[in-house]
Amino acid sequence: GAVVSQHPSRVICKSGTSVKIECRSLDFQATTMFWYRQFPKQSLMLMATSNEGSKATYEQGVEKDKFLINHASLTLSTLTVTSAHPEDSSFYICSARDPGTSPNIQYFGAGTRLSVL
Amino acid sequence: GIQVEQSPPDLILQEGANSTLRCNFSDSVNNLQWFHQNPWGQLINLFYIPSGTKQNGRLSATTVATERYSLLYISSSQTTDSGVYFCAVEWKGGSEKLVFGKGTKLTVNP
Repeated sequence: GAVVSQHPSRVICKSGTSVKIECRSLDFQATTMFWYRQFPKQSLMLMATSNEGSKATYEQGVEKDKFLINHASLTLSTLTVTSAHPEDSSFYICSARDPGTSPNIQYFGAGTRLSVL
Repeated sequence: GIQVEQSPPDLILQEGANSTLRCNFSDSVNNLQWFHQNPWGQLINLFYIPSGTKQNGRLSATTVATERYSLLYISSSQTTDSGVYFCAVEWKGGSEKLVFGKGTKLTVNP
């Protein structure tokens, strides 16, 4: 299947700093990528839909100024957690839709575990 | 929005046993995917199955779209099957988003 690379896999940072997470589709071009958040022992919750060349669409309750999303190319979307606080500690997962499949299948990155001290 | 319910929430098996996991959804869907999340958090695609039946080795899945449910069958379970199994659907009224169920945590004991 298609490969989605997510980096870094783990990050520990101090409160107040910003953290950038990258999501790349390695063997297909993705006009749409998605960012999810997963708390321990819970399901994945969609945070935002990342559209290449346009602004991201955020789910209700997700602060767009807190979670900055940039989808500058057809293979890369980034999520920046700005001024991170301990409550932002979570597992963040990205996915990308493969336009070569019909209907489009989503492939997921390996996730980024963020710990804010 | 669409509701996705998975059952059972937890399942403990002895190695070699068979199991069935269920996913009910409340509205029409364009897409349904089953995933296995391993202990490191990686989501692994098992099946893309908006309707019909598919098999892959010891795993098979059936979706009855008209009755709004899907089943994942695991036969001759192995300890490596342990983890959380998620069902996710793309709602016809939901513009490409995948909505996840809460998952079934499977533990296979040796």
